[in-house]
Amino acid sequence: GIQVEQSPPDLILQEGANSTLRCNFSDSVNNLQWFHQNPWGQLINLFYIPSGTKQNGRLSATTVATERYSLLYISSSQTTDSGVYFCAVNRNSGNTPLVFGKGTRLSVIA
Amino acid sequence: GAGVSQSPSNKVTEKGKDVELRCDPISGHTALYWYRQSLGQGLEFLIYFQGNSAPDKSGLPSDRFSAERTGGSVSTLTIQRTQQEDSAVYLCASSYRDRPRGEQFFGPGTRLTVL
Repeated sequence: GIQVEQSPPDLILQEGANSTLRCNFSDSVNNLQWFHQNPWGQLINLFYIPSGTKQNGRLSATTVATERYSLLYISSSQTTDSGVYFCAVNRNSGNTPLVFGKGTRLSVIA
Repeated sequence: GAGVSQSPSNKVTEKGKDVELRCDPISGHTALYWYRQSLGQGLEFLIYFQGNSAPDKSGLPSDRFSAERTGGSVSTLTIQRTQQEDSAVYLCASSYRDRPRGEQFFGPGTRLTVL
């Protein structure tokens, strides 16, 4: 099956710093999502981005499908950005289960 | 509108007992998924339902696990004769077949502890 690798596994930032999280996948994908899991365990949708670039406030994401990677950019980080960021993909069209990476644990300190 | 809801939020049970976990998907979503998040295994797919089709059970770890979806909406995940290794957070998600195609939305999860 498809493999998803995220890097770095852990990241500590000073408040206000910028960061880039990476997601590599082993095969072509139909769906790619980025999630933020907050300290209470809730998975929050950040981006649905099988290809191209999107921006939402301080966050942006780029997926280069032909090269099988996606990047999540966090600018001017805040303590509320702390948590685990997951990349998840599926290969098939429509509604099929996601395959998750192991996540990047981000800690933003004041 | 309302998101995906799950109940209970926490469940503590004794080894060998059966448990039922409930998921209410987003209204109108045709697909419903169950995932499990445990410390050693990350987030893994268990089972999913798509419309009226037979469910894909390929992720269920043993025959002690089963799920049903009634009326194309609410789903119940049942774990029989629970074992300590079943302790995990069980997450439910739903999606709509159209725009954006297959984007999944997750509920808050049920934290299961088997003593």
